[in-house]
Amino acid sequence: KAGVTQTPRYLIKTRGQQVTLSCSPISGHRSVSWYQQTPGQGLQFLFEYFSETQRNKGNFPGRFSGRQFSNSRSEMNVSTLELGDSALYLCASSLDLGTANTEAFFGQGTRLTVV
Amino acid sequence: AQSVAQPEDQVNVAEGNPLTVKCTYSVSGNPYLFWYVQYPNRGLQFLLKYITGDNLVKGSYGFEAEFNKSQTSFHLKKPSALVSDSALYFCAVRSHQAGTALIFGKGTTLSVSS
Repeated sequence: KAGVTQTPRYLIKTRGQQVTLSCSPISGHRSVSWYQQTPGQGLQFLFEYFSETQRNKGNFPGRFSGRQFSNSRSEMNVSTLELGDSALYLCASSLDLGTANTEAFFGQGTRLTVV
Repeated sequence: AQSVAQPEDQVNVAEGNPLTVKCTYSVSGNPYLFWYVQYPNRGLQFLLKYITGDNLVKGSYGFEAEFNKSQTSFHLKKPSALVSDSALYFCAVRSHQAGTALIFGKGTTLSVSS
């Protein structure tokens, strides 16, 4: 069974640009969530999607957005990139996070560097 | 507000010795607790979880964790450490009241020497 796949693995962007990251969940998983990992702030929740609807959102500015497609694949977009957006972005999938006791399975992440 | 504390930035143990990585939590409602491990330049791998029932939970790679409700702790343990266990370990918590986001601790680097 394939795991969570994130593309691309590495990305270098310039300040002011926008970027789109992609996540393919484990087959059969309907919930996808995104996290940002930085050395200073650790792992922070961005948002969660279930059945193409955003079900939960973390405390990030509106420049961070996402969506989920009918096949459960998800994308996140960051507009007007800032240097502080440099981070490892992790996607996680689960059968259904709505039950709260379900473990999430993470992809290898996309390393975004903003210069 | 929900929070997780991992009081040690780094834990050093010798191979073959038992290891403990500490975690305490604060959450409204019944907690669901998780441990993840991260190797360099990789995502997080699920180790184990506590939902309800037996306070001692067994997980992958010989790891186990003990839930203590009165001390709001969920320490990760392994009877005999391996050099290959060296990695970054994260404790996380979620509750029905808190929603579906995982709240992570800052992480503890485990270093196992041969």
